[in-house]
Amino acid sequence: GAVVSQHPSRVICKSGTSVKIECRSLDFQATTMFWYRQFPKQSLMLMATSNEGSKATYEQGVEKDKFLINHASLTLSTLTVTSAHPEDSSFYICSAQIGDGGTEAFFGQGTRLTVV
Amino acid sequence: GQNIDQPTEMTATEGAIVQINCTYQTSGFNGLFWYQQHAGEAPTFLSYNVLDGLEEKGRFSSFLSRSKGYSYLLLKELQMKDSASYLCAVKDSNYQLIWGAGTKLIIKP
Repeated sequence: GAVVSQHPSRVICKSGTSVKIECRSLDFQATTMFWYRQFPKQSLMLMATSNEGSKATYEQGVEKDKFLINHASLTLSTLTVTSAHPEDSSFYICSAQIGDGGTEAFFGQGTRLTVV
Repeated sequence: GQNIDQPTEMTATEGAIVQINCTYQTSGFNGLFWYQQHAGEAPTFLSYNVLDGLEEKGRFSSFLSRSKGYSYLLLKELQMKDSASYLCAVKDSNYQLIWGAGTKLIIKP
């Protein structure tokens, strides 16, 4: 299957700093990438959908100025958590799909963010 | 609104069979997925159903009834490594994945 690489896998940062998470499709071109966050013992919560070359579409309740998404190429999307606070500590996962009608979503390994 | 329901937690015995149910109400349907997720890891793809019926893949099978808005994941010959959360997800009319809350499966020796 297709491979999506997410980096870093773990990051600890100080409150008030910004953290960038990268999501790369290694062997295919991802027209659409998705960013999720997951709190312990809860399901995936979609934060935003990013399409290459256009602005991301954010889900209701997700602050676009806090969670900056850039999908600069067909193989790379980045999520930047700006001015991070302890409540932003979570598991962030990206996924990518091939085209609109593609079947499975391919997931990155996830990033465990801890803000201290 | 869109809704996917699955049991929160199930317990089964090693070597046995377990069925995890999923019911959905979505705006449109473009396929149903089952994913396995171990704690602290990303989900991994298990199965995809878009037509009614049973799809078998080794020890895992998935069933779909579109008229009933119902699916199940059947796990046979359970192994300890099958202890994980199982997520049901449906692609709606916009091809967006709608996720269930997941079923935590506990396997006991």
